[in-house]
Amino acid sequence: EAGVTQFPSHSVIEKGQTVTLRCDPISGHDNLYWYRRVMGKEIKFLLHFVKESKQDESGMPNNRFLAERTGGTYSTLKVQPAELEDSGVYFCASSRYPGVSNTEAFFGQGTRLTVV
Amino acid sequence: AQSVSQHNHHVILSEAASLELGCNYSYGGTVNLFWYVQYPGQHLQLLLKYFSGDPLVKGIKGFEAEFIKSKFSFNLRKPSVQWSDTAEYFCAVNAAGAGSYQLTFGKGTKLSVIP
Repeated sequence: EAGVTQFPSHSVIEKGQTVTLRCDPISGHDNLYWYRRVMGKEIKFLLHFVKESKQDESGMPNNRFLAERTGGTYSTLKVQPAELEDSGVYFCASSRYPGVSNTEAFFGQGTRLTVV
Repeated sequence: AQSVSQHNHHVILSEAASLELGCNYSYGGTVNLFWYVQYPGQHLQLLLKYFSGDPLVKGIKGFEAEFIKSKFSFNLRKPSVQWSDTAEYFCAVNAAGAGSYQLTFGKGTKLSVIP
């Protein structure tokens, strides 16, 4: 079974530019999560999709971040325009069922975003 | 809102030494608790989890953790570490029954095992 795949693995962009991160969850997993780790800090929740619907987007930092999951398969996270403080590692995770008590969330390797 | 504190930023041990990584959380309700590990260049993977029942949980690769409710702690232990345990370890908590499936992570502890 293929794992959660994220593209690109590393992105370096200038402040003010746009970047789009992609996450391909494990096939059949309806639940998809985005997390972010800013250097030296905790991994923080951004949002949770159930199929194509946003179940919980309470962690999205501001309206420069836009997450989509058209068709309920892969997801994209767009940052527009990027700011220096957006630098960090963006993780994606997926799980078959909602919640944590009855299933495990599988994580991707992350996308390291550097804004210069 | 819940938070997680991991006491050690970086731990250095020799092979065969015993390991204990501290984790405390702050949340007044029922919690689900996790330890994740990230080996160099790899994805985060689940080591073990606690939902209910026996507070001593065993995970993969010889790791175990004990949930002490009165201390709001979920420390990770391994009796004898190996060089291959070199990785970053993350404690995480989910507020059970709160209607949200998000995990709250600690800052992580880097473990370096010297051969």
